[in-house]
Amino acid sequence: EAQVTQNPRYLITVTGKKLTVTCSQNMNHEYMSWYRQDPGLGLRQIYYSMNVEVTDKGDVPEGYKVSRKEKRNFPLILESPSPNQTSLYFCASSLTGQGSYEQYFGPGTRLTVT
Amino acid sequence: DAKTTQPTSMDCAEGRAANLPCNHSTISGNEYVYWYRQIHSQGPQYIIHGLKNNETNEMASLIITEDRKSSTLILPHATLRDTAVYYCIVRAKTSYDKVIFGPGTSLSVIP
Repeated sequence: EAQVTQNPRYLITVTGKKLTVTCSQNMNHEYMSWYRQDPGLGLRQIYYSMNVEVTDKGDVPEGYKVSRKEKRNFPLILESPSPNQTSLYFCASSLTGQGSYEQYFGPGTRLTVT
Repeated sequence: DAKTTQPTSMDCAEGRAANLPCNHSTISGNEYVYWYRQIHSQGPQYIIHGLKNNETNEMASLIITEDRKSSTLILPHATLRDTAVYYCIVRAKTSYDKVIFGPGTSLSVIP
């Protein structure tokens, strides 16, 4: 089954404790992206990747890192999480980053930073 | 990418057709109209997209006006599981711009 998976689905952590949220897709997609969703602010893009070893900042990259060493994986790294990073996170992928292709989203990771 | 305008919320009776409008009056010739939906706190789900012709798939139909300034997503027989926020997005075929999700339309299907 074609899908985007994220782990963990739920995470409660403390300020400053490094964490990684994994994202994997099995569709051989070139483009992958991370979004966060907060009440009243909608979905905002954090980082995206056009292909392996090619990443770029989205609208809200501060406090996050990403890497794209393999085509299927696009982990989101929070080096020193803070309470303002409490949010619902979604990973997405599409065949390419072009507008003619739909995006497939993962199930989401609900992160709470205390 | 062109901006879209959608009603904030809509209700639909279960079993009836849900018609969700979207205005995209500044759309340009090479921009697609996409529809996604998000069921409470789940990942957004792609529904359908089109350029100028009407499109239909197993989930919905997309009707685009001849001038392409507006479109309507039709869920032919709405069920309670169709209760969700529906997002209308336009994107150029060759654009690498990020997908911008506006506030969307919150559809409530009522028993």
